[in-house]
Amino acid sequence: AQRVTQPEKLLSVFKGAPVELKCNYSYSGSPELFWYVQYSRQRLQLLLRHISRESIKGFTADLNKGETSFHLKKPFAQEEDSAMYYCALESTFGDGTTLTVKP
Amino acid sequence: KAGVTQTPRYLIKTRGQQVTLSCSPISGHRSVSWYQQTPGQGLQFLFEYFSETQRNKGNFPGRFSGRQFSNSRSEMNVSTLELGDSALYLCASSLTGQRYNSPLHFGNGTRLTVT
Repeated sequence: AQRVTQPEKLLSVFKGAPVELKCNYSYSGSPELFWYVQYSRQRLQLLLRHISRESIKGFTADLNKGETSFHLKKPFAQEEDSAMYYCALESTFGDGTTLTVKP
Repeated sequence: KAGVTQTPRYLIKTRGQQVTLSCSPISGHRSVSWYQQTPGQGLQFLFEYFSETQRNKGNFPGRFSGRQFSNSRSEMNVSTLELGDSALYLCASSLTGQRYNSPLHFGNGTRLTVT
């Protein structure tokens, strides 16, 4: 069965600090992985997907099949990054991590 | 392009009643997925429809059902409502489905309260 684990419910960092939101998955096949973000009072929206290997708003995520992880990283967090972040494996979503970036 | 539209935005129902929620996907999207979002359980997958056929289903009881029409619009029905069904119900459309690397586009949701 598919499973997505985001171990941190809450994560708080200072502006300019690096940030890493963890995502681990269990899946027997070749995973299709995504990160979604929900800013305050906005709808859930795609941030990035592993197949694209792109950087969106300074965020990157690398698929590590050996560790079954797809962590989201940003070298210098900004206050506008404060939001709820969800990792998704096909139709399964993790419980989400609320990121707060303090000034 | 218009985004995913869900109606109604809010619903209040009584235990035992049934409810139908509606979702209009982005034009051209053939996949529609439904999720239940609650503070305690996060985003739980209900089902996915593609070209009027249910393609995937989560672990919800048979009281939860859905359908998709030829224009890709979708409805979700919950019968014999229980207090625990109170949640935000999200609809998401996609070109071909997240399993095929096509990302989801979410609606604003329908907030269902069961009293």
